[in-house]
Amino acid sequence: DTEVTQTPKHLVMGMTNKKSLKCEQHMGHRAMYWYKQKAKKPPELMFVYSYEKLSINESVPSRFSPECPNSSLLNLHLHALQPEDSALYLCASSQDLRGGSYEQYFGPGTRLTVT
Amino acid sequence: AQSVTQLGSHVSVSEGALVLLRCNYSSSVPPYLFWYVQYPNQGLQLLLKYTSAATLVKGINGFEAEFKKSETSFHLTKPSAHMSDAAEYFCAVTHTGANNLFFGTGTRLTVIP
Repeated sequence: DTEVTQTPKHLVMGMTNKKSLKCEQHMGHRAMYWYKQKAKKPPELMFVYSYEKLSINESVPSRFSPECPNSSLLNLHLHALQPEDSALYLCASSQDLRGGSYEQYFGPGTRLTVT
Repeated sequence: AQSVTQLGSHVSVSEGALVLLRCNYSSSVPPYLFWYVQYPNQGLQLLLKYTSAATLVKGINGFEAEFKKSETSFHLTKPSAHMSDAAEYFCAVTHTGANNLFFGTGTRLTVIP
């Protein structure tokens, strides 16, 4: 099973709301990623977790707060977002960070609209 | 530093014609290369990968790519396009010890009936 699941599929939120995106994988992968993708652009890396520890934070604003409760779950907590944060948010996982050949498996994404 | 360049942001082919999507990479160390496909409003799906084994890599849905070190290229091909191939295609590169994939800007493939 090479499936990464993400919920919700769509999310509309106001600028004062707090919401969370969820990602789950059951492939035994130890690296998990959050990406942001704007229309007609490639995914932009936001965060990387390796063995449940934050490994990379690509200078993401603090209104985005990641959390990795266990090796299968990855959350992205959202607070006080701006309209320009509207995008497709993709979660991915890979076997490990230590081997560069490990491909990333992507979830279907959450389409976020900030009003 | 690593990067990939995808030549042609849009490619149109007739149904049944050859598909050729171009990717050139830049890497100071041996690269690992990937092609992903993204259908509208979906995530990215891995088509194939090159990890220093065979230079001709076969993937899903009839796609294949050839790693050419002398040309620093990893072009994606399919002998006969199908309507269902219409999508966005991303080439990506990484290397041993890297923490991330570096994506190209993508090529949108249109298949004309």
